[in-house]
Amino acid sequence: SQTIHQWPATLVQPVGSPLSLECTVEGTSNPNLYWYRQAAGRGLQLLFYSVGIGQISSEVPQNLSASRPQDRQFILSSKKLLLSDSGFYLCAWRRSAGQSYEQYFGPGTRLTVT
Amino acid sequence: GDSVTQMEGPVTLSEEAFLTINCTYTATGYPSLFWYVQYPGEGLQLLLKATKADDKGSNKGFEATYRKETTSFHLEKGSVQVSDSAVYFCARTTNTGNQFYFGTGTSLTVIP
Repeated sequence: SQTIHQWPATLVQPVGSPLSLECTVEGTSNPNLYWYRQAAGRGLQLLFYSVGIGQISSEVPQNLSASRPQDRQFILSSKKLLLSDSGFYLCAWRRSAGQSYEQYFGPGTRLTVT
Repeated sequence: GDSVTQMEGPVTLSEEAFLTINCTYTATGYPSLFWYVQYPGEGLQLLLKATKADDKGSNKGFEATYRKETTSFHLEKGSVQVSDSAVYFCARTTNTGNQFYFGTGTSLTVIP
């Protein structure tokens, strides 16, 4: 079976500090990978998605970046955090082949920028 | 414009009441449709899905039917429980299937 991990689970960082959030998927190969942000009391905003190693599509201009150094690893980074970066960050994956489009979500990382 | 529109929340129901959460979508093709549930502090879990017109997705007593003529995918449950308290998201795929459009979510609270 497939599992998706995110860490850390919670993070408190000062404004201007760097960020690195990690997501890994087990039990599948060549998945599509996604980073979403959920601000308090709001819906989901797609930040980045990747269809393969080194292939990143950015959906929203911001001070965040994403990388995919390995097939099942997806990293969200920032060089300098802003207060507005606070939120709940969710990673998701889906199978890249076939007609099954459902996405499976990780447990999330709660980021508070102070 | 918005691709997925959900009814505004929050919704508060008594235990064993009937639940309907409305969801409509706009699309030029035939997207796949989904309902996800998010419990407090957790990620989203797939609740049910439908991939073509007139399909009915069902899981844990929840149901939703893909209605092409009304572009809707309303979530229903005949008798809600306190444990159903969560936020529910409707979603549809983009034309390529690579991405989702999510609704804004509907918060449900079930009281004993």
